[in-house]
Amino acid sequence: KNEVEQSPQNLTAQEGEFITINCSYSVGISALHWLQQHPGGGIVSLFMLSSGKKKHGRLIATINIQEKHSSLHITASHPRDSAVYICAVETSGSRLTFGEGTQLTVNP
Amino acid sequence: NAGVTQTPKFQVLKTGQSMTLQCAQDMNHNSMYWYRQDPGMGLRLIYYSASEGTTDKGEVPNGYNVSRLNKREFSLRLESAAPSQTSVYFCASRRNYLNGPGTGNDGYTFGSGTRLTVV
Repeated sequence: KNEVEQSPQNLTAQEGEFITINCSYSVGISALHWLQQHPGGGIVSLFMLSSGKKKHGRLIATINIQEKHSSLHITASHPRDSAVYICAVETSGSRLTFGEGTQLTVNP
Repeated sequence: NAGVTQTPKFQVLKTGQSMTLQCAQDMNHNSMYWYRQDPGMGLRLIYYSASEGTTDKGEVPNGYNVSRLNKREFSLRLESAAPSQTSVYFCASRRNYLNGPGTGNDGYTFGSGTRLTVV
């Protein structure tokens, strides 16, 4: 069993839909990161959180430390949101363990 | 600001050849990392450097060496390339590792990646 599990692996949505991507982990962490990998391959850091909730534009990330679970929400999705979304947990020594990613496709 | 710059973007090597992947950041970050990304496996840490002058092994260091040349530059060397090293390589940097997480904007900045094929 991977230390970081993401679901779903693939997600197709229509423009405007509310999207949720889930991340569960099995180890003690100091922080959790959400990353976005564009179709061209570049990786962008979206959020780093260790408790509660963060919001940036149409993106919202939440974490429940007790349940070892985080969610990434996208409101009013748009085709430009199509990308791979990666959850990563930070353990001691600032080392990241990555999930395999969720491929999101938003159709117009 | 350029952020994190990786070179080259693409490379094809023959088995046994050597090469160095270069990475430089202009954000005055303390920590730098090398990851590889393979289908179905997620990103895996090869080596990292918590600060200038230090380097440590990550999850998959075999077959690789690194040099933290100065605060800006962190290179990854393949001494004798093998087909198993065919992958996409990412360099990343981070500002505040030494202060721990949760202090300001401590997210990672990634380079654009190097697609390496070993034949």
